[in-house]
Amino acid sequence: GIQVEQSPPDLILQEGANSTLRCNFSDSVNNLQWFHQNPWGQLINLFYIPSGTKQNGRLSATTVATERYSLLYISSSQTTDSGVYFCAALNQGGKLIFGQGTELSVKP
Amino acid sequence: SAVISQKPSRDICQRGTSLTIQCQVDSQVTMMFWYRQQPGQSLTLIATANQGSEATYESGFVIDKFPISRPNLTFSTLTVSNMSPEDSSIYLCSVAPGWAMNTEAFFGQGTRLTVV
Repeated sequence: GIQVEQSPPDLILQEGANSTLRCNFSDSVNNLQWFHQNPWGQLINLFYIPSGTKQNGRLSATTVATERYSLLYISSSQTTDSGVYFCAALNQGGKLIFGQGTELSVKP
Repeated sequence: SAVISQKPSRDICQRGTSLTIQCQVDSQVTMMFWYRQQPGQSLTLIATANQGSEATYESGFVIDKFPISRPNLTFSTLTVSNMSPEDSSIYLCSVAPGWAMNTEAFFGQGTRLTVV
């Protein structure tokens, strides 16, 4: 089945810094989503982005479906950005497959 | 979009007992999905629940351990049976309102289960 790989696994930033998180997937996908999991375990939808580029405030995402990767950009990071970021790809069978996540820690 | 209410949000249970987690959606959806997230790990799909039929379980998950009900198009329950400490995880339900059209998936708040 489809494999979803995220990098880096861990990231420590100083407040105000920018960062790029990467998500590679091994096969063509019907859907690609980015989530932020807060310390209470809740998954927050960031982007639904099967292709192209979207922006929402300090966050933006780009998916290049033909090259099987997606990027999540975080600019001017804040301590509230801390948590785990997951990408998930919808495979041909209609199941959402998650990467292993990137744990982000933003220091004041 | 979809708003999902999941409860309980957390629980501490004795080994050997069972816990039923409820998931209520604010709109009718064809498919509902249950995930498990073990400590420090990613999310793994347990099963897919379709109204009016038995749930479809992923490899490694069985109905006797994780029975699922789907009585209507807005509600589902997952039971974690005969619990052991290894069942300590976050359990999440999910829906994709336009599932047949590969649209965005939404998740409940999650249930943080600790088995002692």
